[in-house]
Amino acid sequence: DGGITQSPKYLFRKEGQNVTLSCEQNLNHDAMYWYRQDPGQGLRLIYYSQIVNDFQKGDIAEGYSVSREKKESFPLTVTSAQKNPTAFYLCASSTSGRNTGELFFGEGSRLTVL
Amino acid sequence: GDSVTQMEGPVTLSEEAFLTINCTYTATGYPSLFWYVQYPGEGLQLLLKATKADDKGSNKGFEATYRKETTSFHLEKGSVQVSDSAVYFCALNQAGTALIFGKGTTLSVSS
Repeated sequence: DGGITQSPKYLFRKEGQNVTLSCEQNLNHDAMYWYRQDPGQGLRLIYYSQIVNDFQKGDIAEGYSVSREKKESFPLTVTSAQKNPTAFYLCASSTSGRNTGELFFGEGSRLTVL
Repeated sequence: GDSVTQMEGPVTLSEEAFLTINCTYTATGYPSLFWYVQYPGEGLQLLLKATKADDKGSNKGFEATYRKETTSFHLEKGSVQVSDSAVYFCALNQAGTALIFGKGTTLSVSS
């Protein structure tokens, strides 16, 4: 079935460690996104990519990095520079052009810093 | 910049009650408007959308009308069920930009 797969679903990290969250889609979508979800804050955009080998910072990009080497994959690295990384991370994808609002989401990855 | 404001929750209702979740927006131009739903422990799913003024989006008994004069996109359902318990997000986007979400409204329906 077509969809978005995020892994791992749960991840624990010690302070000072980098961690990479995986996001893979087989929907043939051009655009991919990473959002962070915190209680009472809604979803905030970290990074997005509209085509391979190109990506843009969102509202809260500091302490995060991404790559887009393949259309299907958009991994997110949470670096040690991220001051408060404990959160629920959601990856999404969409077709390009006027339908960019119709996002397909993965089931999320919950990161906890110990 | 563009933004979305939703009523704060939680909203607690009994089964078969009428539901309204308010959403207003601020945007330049003519955005598309969306409602997404998140069930516990899951990602978000598109519930309905409207792409121009006076459009009505509908799905699974939920409706919302794009009101440009009041910059609103309120979500309604005539008779809620326990299975509707979830977090509801209003969102907007302009063509070529990423989606902007409201903070979400938690709905809890009891039998």
